[in-house]
Amino acid sequence: DQQVKQNSPSLSVQEGRISILNCDYTNSMFDYFLWYKKYPAEGPTFLISISSIKDKNEDGRFTVFLNKSAKHLSLHIVPSQPGDSAVYFCAASPAGGGADGLTFGKGTHLIIQP
Amino acid sequence: DTGVSQNPRHKITKRGQNVTFRCDPISEHNRLYWYRQTLGQGPEFLTYFQNEAQLEKSRLLSDRFSAERPKGSFSTLEIQRTEQGDSAMYLCASSFWIPNEQFFGPGTRLTVL
Repeated sequence: DQQVKQNSPSLSVQEGRISILNCDYTNSMFDYFLWYKKYPAEGPTFLISISSIKDKNEDGRFTVFLNKSAKHLSLHIVPSQPGDSAVYFCAASPAGGGADGLTFGKGTHLIIQP
Repeated sequence: DTGVSQNPRHKITKRGQNVTFRCDPISEHNRLYWYRQTLGQGPEFLTYFQNEAQLEKSRLLSDRFSAERPKGSFSTLEIQRTEQGDSAMYLCASSFWIPNEQFFGPGTRLTVL
């Protein structure tokens, strides 16, 4: 039973345009959400996070939006660059974090085309 | 390099053998996590340490798996009597005051023949 779902296995976007990656969750106890980026043969790299008390968090070219009522979050990358080509994982944890680890989606492979 | 390190990066073993992996977290991080990732899946939580205490174990962690963090610094993950289904990437992560924001190592890729 997937508690964090990334329904698009892959996404192709032209360089310079906006990339939008989506994530849905089912567990109402999730309180903190994160996006990780992963290159082949490397571990996931933390990108950006958002607490459930916010609906938006920005960091440079990356913005995460959270819609708690819809149990949906999205990652916007503007403008998309070739180095953004990677697998992006959405992850979630309950309030307090720590003991339960993170629950990850299956990932979306983002391909930035020149 | 002040990131999370893992050794070895690759391990090939025969079914039935025991293997041990090591993780060195970021030095000031008191929380350490082990995850397993198989092809096409996201990382799946295995176990969690706060300092030297193992506080949580996933149902994925069968009795063939054991993890230690003897002095609250590095950690080891041992798999006894490996099976082909154990083939996966084993990831270690650490965190400090914000437990949700975990920093991952490069992983150890295990192949069981």
